[in-house]
Amino acid sequence: DTGVSQDPRHKITKRGQNVTFRCDPISEHNRLYWYRQTLGQGPEFLTYFQNEAQLEKSRLLSDRFSAERPKGSFSTLEIQRTEQGDSAMYLCASSLSGEVGNTIYFGEGSWLTVV
Amino acid sequence: SQQGEEDPQALSIQEGENATMNCSYKTSINNLQWYRQNSGRGLVHLILIRSNEREKHSGRLRVTLDTSKKSSSLLITASRAADTASYFCAALLGYSTLTFGKGTMLLVSP
Repeated sequence: DTGVSQDPRHKITKRGQNVTFRCDPISEHNRLYWYRQTLGQGPEFLTYFQNEAQLEKSRLLSDRFSAERPKGSFSTLEIQRTEQGDSAMYLCASSLSGEVGNTIYFGEGSWLTVV
Repeated sequence: SQQGEEDPQALSIQEGENATMNCSYKTSINNLQWYRQNSGRGLVHLILIRSNEREKHSGRLRVTLDTSKKSSSLLITASRAADTASYFCAALLGYSTLTFGKGTMLLVSP
């Protein structure tokens, strides 16, 4: 499978715990994006990387959210001190940069349930 | 805030019929991408149309873009039960940010 891979697919955690999601993009893609989707809504942009540089992070929902892409390959999204309102699907996507018309490919998502 | 607004919110048709979904957006875009999402799954890319294009085809899909009206439409011809899903349009703002609407839920009955 050469698509965008996300792990874990499902995570149930207690309120207050930290969670981390991992994303492996399509291998030749230098851009990586994180989105969040709640029930009945479209995905909401959180942040994106070009190679290892995080070029946009103002949309991260709070300072409890952070993302890294240390070597410009895989990325992690961490949520600290989880709250029930963090329950959602977290989607990772990747693309090539350099052209306006590049397709952005999404993974299967990581479901988070905070109890 | 979400850029795209799909219309209708829900659509129910019979197999073999055509399905048309519309999308409106608010600001200038570089391209617009349509996605399908089956319940609980990730997004599957369907088609991309650039801001300087007016119409594109891919198999049973036809997408139009009217930048003067800031609107797009997705037509699925000869629908199948397997087309049952939610469909989203996503406007590319700048070079990196896709903004989505709430989607259209399509139900295709055998």
